[in-house]
Amino acid sequence: SQQGEEDPQALSIQEGENATMNCSYKTSINNLQWYRQNSGRGLVHLILIRSNEREKHSGRLRVTLDTSKKSSSLLITASRAADTASYFCATAPQGGSEKLVFGKGTKLTVNP
Amino acid sequence: NAGVTQTPKFQVLKTGQSMTLQCAQDMNHEYMSWYRQDPGMGLRLIHYSVGAGITDQGEVPNGYNVSRSTTEDFPLRLLSAAPSQTSVYFCASSRTAFTYNSPLHFGNGTRLTVT
Repeated sequence: SQQGEEDPQALSIQEGENATMNCSYKTSINNLQWYRQNSGRGLVHLILIRSNEREKHSGRLRVTLDTSKKSSSLLITASRAADTASYFCATAPQGGSEKLVFGKGTKLTVNP
Repeated sequence: NAGVTQTPKFQVLKTGQSMTLQCAQDMNHEYMSWYRQDPGMGLRLIHYSVGAGITDQGEVPNGYNVSRSTTEDFPLRLLSAAPSQTSVYFCASSRTAFTYNSPLHFGNGTRLTVT
């Protein structure tokens, strides 16, 4: 069954605005990862945050992790039309890290 | 480097036919896996391998077989195709067997239709 659930399912914003996507999960994890998928393509890894980390940055991306609430958020600042894609969180459960479990994704549309 | 290569890109099968989806990586990754992606379901793990000669089941293994005779290749076999196996299949690999620090690298997928 799905470990992570993204919220919202779909998000439409204007270029230059910030986009925030949330992920909730059910069991204890070793790490949480965010991936992007452009239409018709494979997933591309964006950022990995370990269970003992609270925040990570990579360029215009900021990821937070709250293990007490079992939730994470992905913030994309100053969005561009090229950021239009689906975004997935994936969790590596403790005791089963060989099985990276994906959520259903958030479809982001950035309008020029 | 080519990364993760999947073939074919598209395939149409009739119910009951068998076929093999190919996956190869040239990054000397220990870990390889197969996912299927269905609308509204996200990605679900079918099978995975933590090294040559070692495979294990994921969340939805029924109807699929895998083998890992080399580090580079991880083919997925559909034994007797069913319409429920219509999906997009992704192969992914990572440097280490445990995903503590190693992200997955994905191929571009195989779109399979079973009629």
